[in-house]
Amino acid sequence: AQKITQTQPGMFVQEKEAVTLDCTYDTSDPSYGLFWYKQPSSGEMIFLIYQGSYDQQNATEGRYSLNFQKARKSANLVISASQLGDSAMYFCAMGSGAGSYQLTFGKGTKLSVIP
Amino acid sequence: DVKVTQSSRYLVKRTGEKVFLECVQDMDHENMFWYRQDPGLGLRLIYFSYDVKMKEKGDIPEGYSVSREKKERFSLILESASTNQTSMYLCASREIGTGPYGYTFGSGTRLTVV
Repeated sequence: AQKITQTQPGMFVQEKEAVTLDCTYDTSDPSYGLFWYKQPSSGEMIFLIYQGSYDQQNATEGRYSLNFQKARKSANLVISASQLGDSAMYFCAMGSGAGSYQLTFGKGTKLSVIP
Repeated sequence: DVKVTQSSRYLVKRTGEKVFLECVQDMDHENMFWYRQDPGLGLRLIYFSYDVKMKEKGDIPEGYSVSREKKERFSLILESASTNQTSMYLCASREIGTGPYGYTFGSGTRLTVV
């Protein structure tokens, strides 16, 4: 069974500062992927970044980077230069399994960016 | 862009009613999913479908069923709605072979059972 743990129900960050959202995972699958999604108040899930379990480099997408520490089973999201529009729920998720690639989600972290 | 459309944004139903939540995708995706989202619990998988007429139980299938008669449409059915099914329901679709990048979510249906 897969499990995703996000221990920060809520976080505050000052505008233009960097913030790290924590995510740890547990799985017995040797091949898996880790995702981060953003959910603004409008409700849609926006894909941010992906890290494969065999990827050697940490993933980066613009202001988003994923700090992947395989031995510690952590996949923290780092947002640099926070903007007011970054205020949202953030979900860490894991996918594995050929074919369907079902996703298991964490409980989420609500990020609030303060002007 | 792929679009996943959920027919209702907000829905209010009475206890005991049969409820249909509809999800339509416009890009011929094989896989479709229904998630339930509750505060403090994140998203939990209810059912998913590999392809037309195929369905598999997710983590919390109790009290729900699904129907996928056409590739583009995946319906979630609450046979007899109960107040503990008040929640946000999210539909997603994915194309086989796109690996992890192929997921697209709908905007959600917020269901209230009174």
